[in-house]
Amino acid sequence: QQQVKQSPQSLIVQKGGISIINCAYENTAFDYFPWYQQFPGKGPALLIAIRPDVSEKKEGRFTISFNKSAKQFSLHIMDSQPGDSATYFCAARNTGNQFYFGTGTSLTVIP
Amino acid sequence: EAGVAQSPRYKIIEKRQSVAFWCNPISGHATLYWYQQILGQGPKLLIQFQNNGVVDDSQLPKDRFSAERLKGVDSTLKIQPAKLEDSAVYLCASSHRRMNTGELFFGEGSRLTVL
Repeated sequence: QQQVKQSPQSLIVQKGGISIINCAYENTAFDYFPWYQQFPGKGPALLIAIRPDVSEKKEGRFTISFNKSAKQFSLHIMDSQPGDSATYFCAARNTGNQFYFGTGTSLTVIP
Repeated sequence: EAGVAQSPRYKIIEKRQSVAFWCNPISGHATLYWYQQILGQGPKLLIQFQNNGVVDDSQLPKDRFSAERLKGVDSTLKIQPAKLEDSAVYLCASSHRRMNTGELFFGEGSRLTVL
C-alpha cells in the first residue's frame, strides 16, 4: 500500500523557472512532512519540512505548501538552478516515528 | 560530526548467496532504520530500531532478511538467500529521538546487485 503518492515522476524546467512537485497522503495520523533531496550515489538529505498546523513554510528558494483538509502538500522551487537537478522525495512520519516516502521526482533544470 | 557510515558500498552476488551490510549511525542517535531503495522508487522501510530493540519490522521479508543492532549502536542487515528482486540500494538512517526534529540522517547506501 502506497502511503504517500507523489507526482510528477519527472520534471524538466528551464533555469530561473518554478519547479512544483505534489504529494498526497491518506493517513491523518501523520504529524511531520519532510522533503528530501537525493543526488546520484548519495543518500537522501533533508531539504525542508513542515508540520500539519502550518499552511506554508519557506526557506530560501524552497517553499512547502500544506493543505490539511485535502491531505496534500507540495514543494515549490523558485528560480530553479542547474544545481537543483536531483531526485526529490516527499515523506510523511507517523507517531511511531516511521517515515514513508513517495516514489520520487527526477528534476532536471536546463541552463 | 561524522555522518552515518555504511559498508560495503557495492556488492555483487549470485542468487541464493548471502550478503551482509553494516551500518554505524551518528553518535548518540538512538533510532536506526534500514530502508530498501529499488531503482526509480522511493525508500521503503524495512526495519526500525530504538536502541537495540525492534520497533517495526512489519515490512521485512523475514524468510530471507534479518537485522540486528547489538549494544544499541552498530547494525547489520543480512540477506540469505538472495533473490534477483533484492537488487537495490540499502540505506541506513538514524535520528535523534529526544530532539524530535524529525530529521533522518542517511548514509550513502550499499548497492546490491544479484545476478
